[in-house]
Amino acid sequence: DADVTQTPRNRITKTGKRIMLECSQTKGHDRMYWYRQDPGLGLRLIYYSFDVKDINKGEISDGYSVSRQAQAKFSLSLESAIPNQTALYFCATSDRYVGELFFGEGSRLTVL
Amino acid sequence: GENVEQHPSTLSVQEGDSAVIKCTYSDSASNYFPWYKQELGKGPQLIIDIRSNVGEKKDQRIAVTLNKTAKHFSLHITETQPEDSAVYFCAARTYNTDKLIFGTGTRLQVFP
Repeated sequence: DADVTQTPRNRITKTGKRIMLECSQTKGHDRMYWYRQDPGLGLRLIYYSFDVKDINKGEISDGYSVSRQAQAKFSLSLESAIPNQTALYFCATSDRYVGELFFGEGSRLTVL
Repeated sequence: GENVEQHPSTLSVQEGDSAVIKCTYSDSASNYFPWYKQELGKGPQLIIDIRSNVGEKKDQRIAVTLNKTAKHFSLHITETQPEDSAVYFCAARTYNTDKLIFGTGTRLQVFP
């Protein structure tokens, strides 16, 4: 089983719909992140959390919200999806000492 | 905040040749510079990293160099092989924010 699991892996939705992307990890890491990948723009940080009670905005948080339900779970929500949120979304984890990010396999979201 | 620029966006080399990818960063407080490799359909994976107290680091065919004065760092791949074909991302992390900011990525193609 993957150490960092994202669900769903693919989702097509319509403008205005609420969408939740979920991430769970078995690595025991404190820190979790949500990144967005767009062609030519690389990986951009949306939100990150250093522990269960900690939530921080990244580079592009507008239009998104997150919830850290437990150490192992970090979900990303789009309250009212719009077409320019069509992208590949990655969840990642790290511990506080080493700093290496471990990524999930990504969730491809298409907003029509 | 930190800004990371990465060049080139695409790079094609013949098998056995060397490949070099360059990145610049803006925040002089950045102290950690990893490189990630993303294969098709997968999440990025760390391949090598360097900290600000070191000028060069090697791991078999891969090396990274860091010039703190110029605020740039580079990935060098020697004796390239077809399995090196992937998207490569550089990143920088600042000591005070502990956020990892990525470059825009380089698509490397190694032709047999």
